[in-house]
Amino acid sequence: QVQLQQSGAELVKPGSSVKISCKASGYTFTSYDMHWIKQQPGNGLEWIGWIYPGNGNTKYNQKFSGKATLTADKSSSTAYMQLSSLTSEDSAVYFCARVGRGFDYWGQGVMVTVSS
Amino acid sequence: DVVLTQTPPTLSATIGQSVSISCRSSQSLLHSNGNTYLHWLLQRPGQSPQLLIYLVSRLESGVPNRFSGSGSGTDFTLKISGVEAEDLGVYYCVQGTHAPNTFGAGTKLELK
Repeated sequence: QVQLQQSGAELVKPGSSVKISCKASGYTFTSYDMHWIKQQPGNGLEWIGWIYPGNGNTKYNQKFSGKATLTADKSSSTAYMQLSSLTSEDSAVYFCARVGRGFDYWGQGVMVTVSS
Repeated sequence: DVVLTQTPPTLSATIGQSVSISCRSSQSLLHSNGNTYLHWLLQRPGQSPQLLIYLVSRLESGVPNRFSGSGSGTDFTLKISGVEAEDLGVYYCVQGTHAPNTFGAGTKLELK
C-alpha cells in the first residue's frame, strides 16, 4: 500500500535552515508529482510547490520561492524540502502529498518550531 | 492566484442530517485539457487531510458513498447524505487547474 513517511519534529533557531524528508513506498516514486503543503497552527492549508522525481522538475508557489527548496533522491524514494532563513512565521506543520487522483496520499506531517 | 471561497465556515449538524458545502472559484477551473481539477479533502482533528472526492465528482476508493461532489466552472458543492460521527472535521476544496494550487479556507463540521 502507498505510504509517505515523514521525518520527525524539528526545533530550530531563527535564521537557520532545516531539511525534512518524505519517504515513499508502495508505488513507483518517479511517476508521480510530490507536493508540499504548509499548515500553521489553527490555520488552513497553503501550497508550497511540487517536484517530479522522475526528472527533478520543480514548481514553486511564488510566496515560497527562495524559502523552500525541493529535491528528490530516486535511489531511496525520498523527497526532501529544505527551508532556509527561518523565522517564527515558518513555525508550522509541513505535509508531503502525492498527486495522482488529486492529493490522494499524505504524509503524517512534520512540525517545525522556530524558537531561540 | 485563484481564490476559493468556501461557505459556510462552520456547519453544525445532527447525526443523519444531510449537509452541503459550497466552494466558489474566482476563475473557471475547467482546464484546456477538458478536466476540472477541483478536489475535496477532509482533515479530522489531529490527522493529515484525506482525499474524499477528486475531479469534482469522483469518489475516492474507500470513501463512503454518502459523500458526493458536483459542479462545474466556478461553482462546486460537496454533499454529505446522512452525517455520521466520523465525518466531523474540517473540509477543504483544492484546485489544481491554475498554478499555484490553492485551497479554500475550510468548513468545520461540528455536531449540534
